[in-house]
Amino acid sequence: AQSVTQPDIHITVSEGASLELRCNYSYGATPYLFWYVQSPGQGLQLLLKYFSGDTLVQGIKGFEAEFKRSQSSFNLRKPSVHWSDAAEYFCAVVGGTGGFKTIFGAGTRLFVKA
Amino acid sequence: DADVTQTPRNRITKTGKRIMLECSQTKGHDRMYWYRQDPGLGLRLIYYSFDVKDINKGEISDGYSVSRQAQAKFSLSLESAIPNQTALYFCATMDRVNEQFFGPGTRLTVL
Repeated sequence: AQSVTQPDIHITVSEGASLELRCNYSYGATPYLFWYVQSPGQGLQLLLKYFSGDTLVQGIKGFEAEFKRSQSSFNLRKPSVHWSDAAEYFCAVVGGTGGFKTIFGAGTRLFVKA
Repeated sequence: DADVTQTPRNRITKTGKRIMLECSQTKGHDRMYWYRQDPGLGLRLIYYSFDVKDINKGEISDGYSVSRQAQAKFSLSLESAIPNQTALYFCATMDRVNEQFFGPGTRLTVL
């Protein structure tokens, strides 16, 4: 069965420091890959997505993610974190035997300290 | 105006009551979804619909039912609410390249 693993339940970084959130997926082919962000009290918003082509994708708010087929990973990065980035981040996949259903990871909560 | 709206935003009810959560969208998408979110569990799919005649169970459909009244409307019902259905519920649509668009959520508390 398809699955998405986000190994870190929560991460704390200092403002201005770099960030990497990990995501691994189990899938038989290249899925559609997404990162969503959920700010407190809000719904989820798309940060970025990967379907094909260049394996480094750029998203909103200065985020980027790199698809690595050999590692079944799609890690999210940001070079310099801002206090407003504090939120919960979800990695997700769509496709394959799951059809048009999104499989979400459990999420990583990001805390930003001054 | 928001593209995906949910009503109510908050609801407190008692065990055994029937509850309906409503979702409307103006994005023109055929695919609509209901999820529940619990801390540490991410989002879990309850039901999804690809059009008014195509409704499918998700991974946690027991205790829930849905109605797709029109392309733009997709309602979730709890026929007899129980405390472990206390959660945050999200409605979402999906476009042709599988991106999901979420409503603001409904916080449901069952006492």
